[in-house]
Amino acid sequence: DTEVTQTPKHLVMGMTNKKSLKCEQHMGHRAMYWYKQKAKKPPELMFVYSYEKLSINESVPSRFSPECPNSSLLNLHLHALQPEDSALYLCASRKGDGIGGATNEKLFFGSGTQLSVL
Amino acid sequence: LAKTTQPISMDSYEGQEVNITCSHNNIATNDYITWYQQFPSQGPRFIIQGYKTKVTNEVASLFIPADRKSSTLSLPRVSLSDTAVYYCLVGDIGVTGFQKLVFGTGTRLLVSP
Repeated sequence: DTEVTQTPKHLVMGMTNKKSLKCEQHMGHRAMYWYKQKAKKPPELMFVYSYEKLSINESVPSRFSPECPNSSLLNLHLHALQPEDSALYLCASRKGDGIGGATNEKLFFGSGTQLSVL
Repeated sequence: LAKTTQPISMDSYEGQEVNITCSHNNIATNDYITWYQQFPSQGPRFIIQGYKTKVTNEVASLFIPADRKSSTLSLPRVSLSDTAVYYCLVGDIGVTGFQKLVFGTGTRLLVSP
């Protein structure tokens, strides 16, 4: 199984809603990532988890709350989002723990959740 | 600032060879160079990775000069289905010591009949 599965594929929410995005991988990978991608722009790093601990937060607003309940699962909790938060949210994983060292491990990406905030 | 620089877009025709160059002047000694392909509304997909000289797999070749300050992705005999955005990545260590893997602007390749 070499897949990263993201659910839901599409999500429409109002600015007062609370929703969650889910990401699963069963490859035994130790590092998991959240990226945000606006149309015609490159993916933008949001969070990195290594061994289920938050290792990098790229100054993301608190209305985005990540959670890593176990080594296979990564959630992104959304609350009070703004229309400009509409984007494709991508989850990725990699085998190593992501600590320093050589960068020779590839990222496996899910297909993303297309989020629209009304 | 992105650690890589690529052309914004390229055009080609079916059957031609396409070469996309990436500049990474500040690449670290232990950094590998990795290329990803992305189709609309999908996650990026790994294409090829290398450290130095030349790497070839079933879909592409990667050429890396001795100084490693640039790399070239070569796609032989492209087809319409190769129309996508291609990203070159090198490592980027954050202040916490963890690898950030930041994407550059990417190159939008359009293959025409």
